[in-house]
Amino acid sequence: ETGVTQSPTHLIKTRGQQVTLRCSSQSGHNTVSWYQQALGQGPQFIFQYYREEENGRGNFPPRFSGLQFPNYSSELNVNALELDDSALYLCASSLSGQETQYFGPGTRLLVL
Amino acid sequence: AQSVTQLGSHVSVSEGALVLLRCNYSSSVPPYLFWYVQYPNQGLQLLLKYTTGATLVKGINGFEAEFKKSETSFHLTKPSAHMSDAAEYFCAVSESGGFKTIFGAGTRLFVKA
Repeated sequence: ETGVTQSPTHLIKTRGQQVTLRCSSQSGHNTVSWYQQALGQGPQFIFQYYREEENGRGNFPPRFSGLQFPNYSSELNVNALELDDSALYLCASSLSGQETQYFGPGTRLLVL
Repeated sequence: AQSVTQLGSHVSVSEGALVLLRCNYSSSVPPYLFWYVQYPNQGLQLLLKYTTGATLVKGINGFEAEFKKSETSFHLTKPSAHMSDAAEYFCAVSESGGFKTIFGAGTRLFVKA
């Protein structure tokens, strides 16, 4: 059974640029959630995707967007990067209706 | 709205001593409660979870937690700390089905030799 994988592991961007982060869900999982974890803080829920549709969103602006593909993998896109977007971005997969999420190792984004 | 408060951003214990990490939650619906551990430069690993049923939940690595509805608490304990337990611990709450999990700010556990 393959776990949740994320790419890239690290990324450096400059303010105003756009970034795409990728996540492959655990085999058989149809739901993907994205979280932002700023340094020294707990993860903050960005949004969740189920069957290629956004299934709920946290308190993040529209410049944070996502996609889920038929194979349940997912992308997180962030436009017009700001310095405060520097964080660890975590992807978690689960089966719809199941409470347990399995987290990937994260992508660490640094915005200069 | 749901929320989680972890008391103490840092906890230090001696190896072999009791570990107690405190978590209080707020939820308008019966909560699902979780404890996760995060080692440096890694993602989150589930330690244990409470959904329904028995209020004392046992997890991996000797950890356990007790759901106390009257106190809205879900404190994490381990009878004897090991050096390998040094990590960041997060308490989390979600609605049924695991939707929109809300995390606490985390507690960093230090274990002294």
